[in-house]
Amino acid sequence: NAGVTQTPKFRVLKTGQSMTLLCAQDMNHEYMYWYRQDPGMGLRLIHYSVGEGTTAKGEVPDGYNVSRLKKQNFLLGLESAAPSQTSVYFCASSYPPRRDNQPQHFGDGTRLSIL
Amino acid sequence: LAKTTQPISMDSYEGQEVNITCSHNNIATNDYITWYQQFPSQGPRFIIQGYKTKVTNEVASLFIPADRKSSTLSLPRVSLSDTAVYYCLVGSGTASKLTFGTGTRLQVTL
Repeated sequence: NAGVTQTPKFRVLKTGQSMTLLCAQDMNHEYMYWYRQDPGMGLRLIHYSVGEGTTAKGEVPDGYNVSRLKKQNFLLGLESAAPSQTSVYFCASSYPPRRDNQPQHFGDGTRLSIL
Repeated sequence: LAKTTQPISMDSYEGQEVNITCSHNNIATNDYITWYQQFPSQGPRFIIQGYKTKVTNEVASLFIPADRKSSTLSLPRVSLSDTAVYYCLVGSGTASKLTFGTGTRLQVTL
């Protein structure tokens, strides 16, 4: 059981280039999330999705776009990469929160450097 | 949106019990308290969650006083492999309102 798989694991981009980060989960989770983690800081929510075909903005959505065409996949796009987007990106998935907070299952991250 | 405050770092020797306290003075009635563990180069991993009093599982205990304005994660007899960053989150059922703070970096040594 793979859980949450992120590709690629590492990437170096030049300013202005575009790229897409892929997240795939095999746990049939409805909810999926994209976070970024910067040195000395916690995780900040970029975008999330509550189901196939739906997306919503998180805390720091600017400069990113997302798509959830299939339930198991959640894509994060950078249209025009900026050095400020150098970070480690984590994808997570979970069952829908009810009264409590369903545990989020995380991938191992994508380390992105923008020169 | 409940804000959490945790110590930046803690040190412990192997075999000791470690207690990490999280303050959340503005916790709402419906909010749950959730703790995650993160090792270097890995994503966070769920440890434990609770609403009030005490919760225990195979890896940790979570103590929540009656006023719920703080919570304490207790790790019994830590080992070197428990060296990690521990995050306290407070929220309820809304994906966008769970905020990871800066966490507590626990260093366990011999």
